[in-house]
Amino acid sequence: QQQVKQSPQSLIVQKGGISIINCAYENTAFDYFPWYQQFPGKGPALLIAIRPDVSEKKEGRFTISFNKSAKQFSLHIMDSQPGDSATYFCAASTGGGNKLTFGTGTQLKVEL
Amino acid sequence: DTEVTQTPKHLVMGMTNKKSLKCEQHMGHRAMYWYKQKAKKPPELMFVYSYEKLSINESVPSRFSPECPNSSLLNLHLHALQPEDSALYLCASSQVVGLAAQSPLHFGNGTRLTVT
Repeated sequence: QQQVKQSPQSLIVQKGGISIINCAYENTAFDYFPWYQQFPGKGPALLIAIRPDVSEKKEGRFTISFNKSAKQFSLHIMDSQPGDSATYFCAASTGGGNKLTFGTGTQLKVEL
Repeated sequence: DTEVTQTPKHLVMGMTNKKSLKCEQHMGHRAMYWYKQKAKKPPELMFVYSYEKLSINESVPSRFSPECPNSSLLNLHLHALQPEDSALYLCASSQVVGLAAQSPLHFGNGTRLTVT
């Protein structure tokens, strides 16, 4: 119930392409869905987040799409760049709280 | 650079040693967290402090002892650790516990701990 399933585990995208990472959850009490970006040797950094009352949120090249009925959400990185190469974690929390349930992570590599 | 500072960056300790990890933030946040992250895995919550009081302990073994001396500082005291405790230990802070959309987590860059 508390799990957040994330796919794919790893992803290779060509520079300029679109990177898509998917997450699915079971707990309908989840009401906050952030994405974190983590570079090697660094801590996770909040990239973008969404609440379930909207279906899409865009910040620059990063977009979250949210499907409440399917209990799925995804991160789209447009015009992917080598600097986007990192590990991406989706997460979810209940009651607007900070106790996050993380997905398993996606290692993204953007090739020239 | 991150606004949550963790020291040391790296730590090697024996199973009989006592050591401490330190975390500091000057953003005026009143919630502070310890996470543990193994290689290629997501962070796992260990402890949450809210207004300098321990509010969540995720059933962490007693060989890990957190301390929050004031609103800016968070320590993790380590004693009699096992090799399987080797991991990246991340500190995080937020304005308050709850209201995550308005009070997101800010992570430090962690302490890489190796237990020999």
